[in-house]
Amino acid sequence: QVQLVQSGAEVKKPGASVKVSCKASGYTFTSHYMHWVRQAPGQGLEWMGIINPTDGSTAYAQKFQGRVTMTRDTSTTTVYMELSSLRSEDTAVYYCGRRSHFANYFDYWGQGTLVTVSS
Amino acid sequence: DIQMTQSPSSLSASVGDRVTITCRASQSVSSYLSWYQQKPGKAPKLLIYTASTLQSGVPSRFSGSGSGTDFTLTISNLQPQDFATYYCQQSYTTPSITFGQGTRLEIK
Repeated sequence: QVQLVQSGAEVKKPGASVKVSCKASGYTFTSHYMHWVRQAPGQGLEWMGIINPTDGSTAYAQKFQGRVTMTRDTSTTTVYMELSSLRSEDTAVYYCGRRSHFANYFDYWGQGTLVTVSS
Repeated sequence: DIQMTQSPSSLSASVGDRVTITCRASQSVSSYLSWYQQKPGKAPKLLIYTASTLQSGVPSRFSGSGSGTDFTLTISNLQPQDFATYYCQQSYTTPSITFGQGTRLEIK
């Protein structure tokens, strides 16, 4: 069965970076793009970007351009999302989500990773 | 950027009721519209894609309709497990996507 298992919660200081992982299993890793979405406490869902696991190509939301980097490791079927220059407003749950074959929607999600930015 | 606006932002209903949630796009998204359900502390769950196609395993009391700029999610015969927050999502502007702000469905 398809599973997306994310790394554990992180606490970071303002100005630091965080790298969240998402390990995929149960399907052919390179057959599906992977999105990253975040959700601040009590708020809605915010799209951050997408990565093609086949060649590592990416597309980022304009809001995060220059601060976010998405990568993948095909040997471990893991995608990563690194966010730099953290500020308190980046406190959120970060989700990876698999893009469906058929259209640009999420058919599977990771469990989420809470990133807390606090001095 | 395409903006997605859901209404209402919250609503109260009773078990057995029929409820409708609306999602309006700031410009046409054709049928590239999905709906998700999210419960507290959990990841969203896909309910409907391409505006009206029910995801496998989702109960048939959930249905979606619309195209262009106006879409609806209807839940018939509300069950206790349906009380959650619902989000619409457009994917017309692929690869980027946009979510609605969410609709919280509460028990009356």
